[in-house]
Amino acid sequence: KNQVEQSPQSLIILEGKNCTLQCNYTVSPFSNLRWYKQDTGRGPVSLTIMTFSENTKSNGRYTATLDADTKQSSLHITASQLSDSASYICVVSALYNDYKLSFGAGTTVTVRA
Amino acid sequence: GAVVSQHPSWVICKSGTSVKIECRSLDFQATTMFWYRQFPKQSLMLMATSNEGSKATYEQGVEKDKFLINHASLTLSTLTVTSAHPEDSSFYICSARVSGSGNEQFFGPGTRLTVL
Repeated sequence: KNQVEQSPQSLIILEGKNCTLQCNYTVSPFSNLRWYKQDTGRGPVSLTIMTFSENTKSNGRYTATLDADTKQSSLHITASQLSDSASYICVVSALYNDYKLSFGAGTTVTVRA
Repeated sequence: GAVVSQHPSWVICKSGTSVKIECRSLDFQATTMFWYRQFPKQSLMLMATSNEGSKATYEQGVEKDKFLINHASLTLSTLTVTSAHPEDSSFYICSARVSGSGNEQFFGPGTRLTVL
């Protein structure tokens, strides 16, 4: 069973609207959690990174939250743009094994005009 | 900073031939580089971890004789897919870890391999 589960698998939103993506993880002991944006045919690009003590991190119109107690994270996209169409991947790393990243399957976001 | 490049960005080859993919850290030195494979609509799967000057560590189920990895310098790692077959067609992504940065990995743009 994957240690990082994302939902929904995909979603379609209208330009200008907001959306929230979810990530649940079981990786333990927890080190940090990252959200990446991956455009089609490109490598992942980091959006945010949060450690145990952080519960929110923003990067422009992207805001990530982390609840380390419930092992849940969310990525909120505000005022979506067509360029936000991509796959968003939640990645968690564990203490003492920090080079091995646990990847979620990603949420594919499609923004329509 | 922290830019990782890959070359080529895409390649098409005949079954049975070998293909080499380069991964370079452009503005930093990377003691460790990673190679991932990503099939359509799936997440990245770690294939191997490459440390400069030493043999690569392969994940379970990844054939080391088929996927040859060379990390000859702190800025270059290569992945050679030997005797490629159609099932090797995939998106190959490398990442590089900055020395002393903890576990921050920077990903390359990927290489699309299509084996006919």
